[in-house]
Amino acid sequence: QVQLVQSGAEVKKPGASVKVSCKASGYTFTTFDINWVRQAPGQGLEWMGWMNPNSGNAGYAQKFQGRVTITRNSSITTVYMELSSLRSDDTAVYYCARVKVAAGTDAFDIWGQGTIITVSS
Amino acid sequence: DIQMTQSPSSLSASVGDRVTITCRASQSISRYLNWYQQKPGKAPKLLIYAASSLRGGVPSRFSGSGSGTDFTLTISSLQPEDLATYYCQQSYSTPQFTFGPGTKVDIK
Repeated sequence: QVQLVQSGAEVKKPGASVKVSCKASGYTFTTFDINWVRQAPGQGLEWMGWMNPNSGNAGYAQKFQGRVTITRNSSITTVYMELSSLRSDDTAVYYCARVKVAAGTDAFDIWGQGTIITVSS
Repeated sequence: DIQMTQSPSSLSASVGDRVTITCRASQSISRYLNWYQQKPGKAPKLLIYAASSLRGGVPSRFSGSGSGTDFTLTISSLQPEDLATYYCQQSYSTPQFTFGPGTKVDIK
């Protein structure tokens, strides 16, 4: 079945970097963009950036410019999100999500299970 | 950047009640508006896309309407399993997206 499976929870110290993986299966990897969304404890959803697995092009929310990098390894149908210079307020659940075009609009139709990143000294 | 607001931020209703959630965009987004449901401890799920198209498998008690800047999500008869937070999302500025702040729905 179509699914996105993310890597496991991590604990990082302030100033460190973290790299979260999102493995796609059940569909043609290069056909759909993958986006990253995070959710701080008790807070709402915050869009971080996107990746086109076919071209390798990526784009980021202005808030994360310079701190986030999204890459992919097509041979293993996996997209990565790396966040650097971690701060305590980066503690959150990080989700990857597939973008599907339906009725002329883009929507996040498949989501990963989420990866908890805790930043603590 | 397009900003999204939602109202109310939370509500409590009884089983069988009709529930309406409003989402407003800071500029016209035509019908490029999606709705997601997030149950506690779970990843969000797509409910409605393009303002009013119900995703396959989603109960018909959910419906969406609106265009331009004002949108609504309606649950025609609230069920216990609808306890969740609901988010709107604009896809007008794709590949950049924005979510609303969410509306938490509790069951009385």
